[in-house]
Amino acid sequence: QAGLTQPPSVSEALRQTATLTCTGNSDNVGYQGAAWLQQHQGHPPKLLSDRNNNRPSGISERFSTSRSGSTASLTIIGLQPDDEADYYCSAWDRSLSALAFGGGTRLTVL
Amino acid sequence: EVQLLESGGGLVQPGGSLRLSCVASGFNFSSDYMTWVRQAPGKGLEWVANIKYDGSEKYYDDSVKGRFTISRDNAKNSLSLQMNSLRVEDTAVYYCAKGVGVSWGRGTLVTVSS
Repeated sequence: QAGLTQPPSVSEALRQTATLTCTGNSDNVGYQGAAWLQQHQGHPPKLLSDRNNNRPSGISERFSTSRSGSTASLTIIGLQPDDEADYYCSAWDRSLSALAFGGGTRLTVL
Repeated sequence: EVQLLESGGGLVQPGGSLRLSCVASGFNFSSDYMTWVRQAPGKGLEWVANIKYDGSEKYYDDSVKGRFTISRDNAKNSLSLQMNSLRVEDTAVYYCAKGVGVSWGRGTLVTVSS
């Protein structure tokens, strides 16, 4: 099955910048990009950015996304305590006709 | 405001069946793909299935293919997931999502255990 690769954990200091990565291939991330989701413990996921790097209304400008080839990135500037959460990327895989998720990155704000 | 409300979860024995429902509001349901995603306790997100806006195309993860059936009733703004031959490893919170994850419901817990 399709699967995207994310580092299991990232730690950064308060008010600093964290960059999370998501690596796929030319049939998923490299094809149409990746969406990014934030999930706090005990809550459903929330969309931070769609595959076209657009933020839904209400999502802070501190969250930005980009893509280079088959690797997508989520950058969070000015880290706040509430940014501590699990972050997932997702992308449609055209060869498998499946929605692929990354394993998630747990972000710790020190 | 987009709202998605799942229901139908519960405790079921291995080999049993369960039907999940998701009622949508706040958007044009009949114009959107809809998706089911699950999350086992302490684990990451796992795609289950999705369905085209008119129900003409359906896609399933291999782990549920042949056991689960996704369907929709656009007249009732409703999405369903019929789950048969349930296994212990199907235990998870099941989320209904607009599109491929634009908006999410709060989820419904399915526990498969003897």
